[in-house]
Order: sequence, then C-alpha cells, then structure tokens
Amino acid sequence: DVKVTQSSRYLVKRTGEKVFLECVQDMDHENMFWYRQDPGLGLRLIYFSYDVKMKEKGDIPEGYSVSREKKERFSLILESASTNQTSMYLCASSLWRASYEQYFGPGTRLTVT
Amino acid sequence: SQQGEEDPQALSIQEGENATMNCSYKTSINNLQWYRQNSGRGLVHLILIRSNEREKHSGRLRVTLDTSKKSSSLLITASRAADTASYFCAPLNSGGSNYKLTFGKGTLLTVNP
Repeated sequence: DVKVTQSSRYLVKRTGEKVFLECVQDMDHENMFWYRQDPGLGLRLIYFSYDVKMKEKGDIPEGYSVSREKKERFSLILESASTNQTSMYLCASSLWRASYEQYFGPGTRLTVT
Repeated sequence: SQQGEEDPQALSIQEGENATMNCSYKTSINNLQWYRQNSGRGLVHLILIRSNEREKHSGRLRVTLDTSKKSSSLLITASRAADTASYFCAPLNSGGSNYKLTFGKGTLLTVNP
C-alpha cells in the first residue's frame, strides 16, 4: 500500500525557532510537494522537488526552505518560525511520468506561539 | 498551474441522497482530479478524468468533464455519513510545469444520518 508519512501530527514551537518538518514516501516517487492549508485559503504550494537535490518554489516560498538529499525524504524548514506560519502542513508525492495523482501524508498541525 | 474553483462552498444532505459538486477552471487541461479530505487529515485521491474523456465512474462516484465549458462535476450517489468531508478538484495543465496541481478551497459536504 502506498504510504506517505510525516514526522509529527502536532507540533508547538516558539517564535524564532528553527523548525524541521520531515516527510517520507515509500513509493519511489520522483516528485514531492509541501503545501500549507489555512481556513478560507485552501491548499497552497510552498515548494516542490522533482528529483534528488532539485527544488522549485511554489506559490508561497517566503520564510521556508527545503531539502531533498534522498529520493524518499523531503524536508521543510522554517528558518525562523513566526506566528503567521501557524498552519496545517501537508506533504505529497507523485510519479513523474504518470497520471500525476498525488498521495498525501496525514498532515502536521504546527502552532507557533 | 491553475486553480479549480469548487461550487458550492458547502452542501448539506440526508443520508441516501445524491450529492453533486461542481468545478470550474480557466485554461486547457491534461486531466482533472478530485480529492477528498476528512476532517483534519491528508487528502485522498478519488478519481482522475483525462481531457479526452467525458464521463468516468468509480463505485458510487461519477465524474463528468465538459472541456468546452471548462467545468467538471462530481456526483456521489446514495451518500453515507462517512462521505462527510471536503472535496477538492485539481486541474492539471496541459503544458508547462505539468507535475503541479493547484487545489481550490473545496466543497464541504455534510451527510446527515
């Protein structure tokens, strides 16, 4: 069965902390994505990666960076967490040359105080 | 990438009734995908319809696509309380960065027992 896992379901951090959100997929997918979801705004793409060490900015990359050192793992980094980064973070993966359907992890609800 | 726009924003029905949700988009597509999100969880891929298809079925789901009107609809027949969720459409562009999906804000479906 296809599986995308995220390191935490809930996370509470303080303003200014460096935050790491980890995502792992076991499907040998080339593409991996990070979204944030906020009420009234839907899902917004932060960053995506189409290969190891490759990344592209999504629609709202400011305040975030990513790392993909291995094909199965895609990390989202909040360099200096701020309260406006309190959100639900969703990771997803997909094949490169297929239907591009995305498989999502369960999400991490991050609260920055 | 482009955003699909779902309509209505919210829908409340009784168990056993059918639920119809609509999606409109702006430019030509490769395919259009529908996803479901149960409360506070990750998204689950439901069905994909390609641009050369007009209708597709999967269990109690029926999806139609009208490329001339740039619209799609998702019909859930004989709804159950477990169908209560948010439903998102995601059009996939026919060119450019075609591994990115852009999600709308979704339709919140409530099925009352």
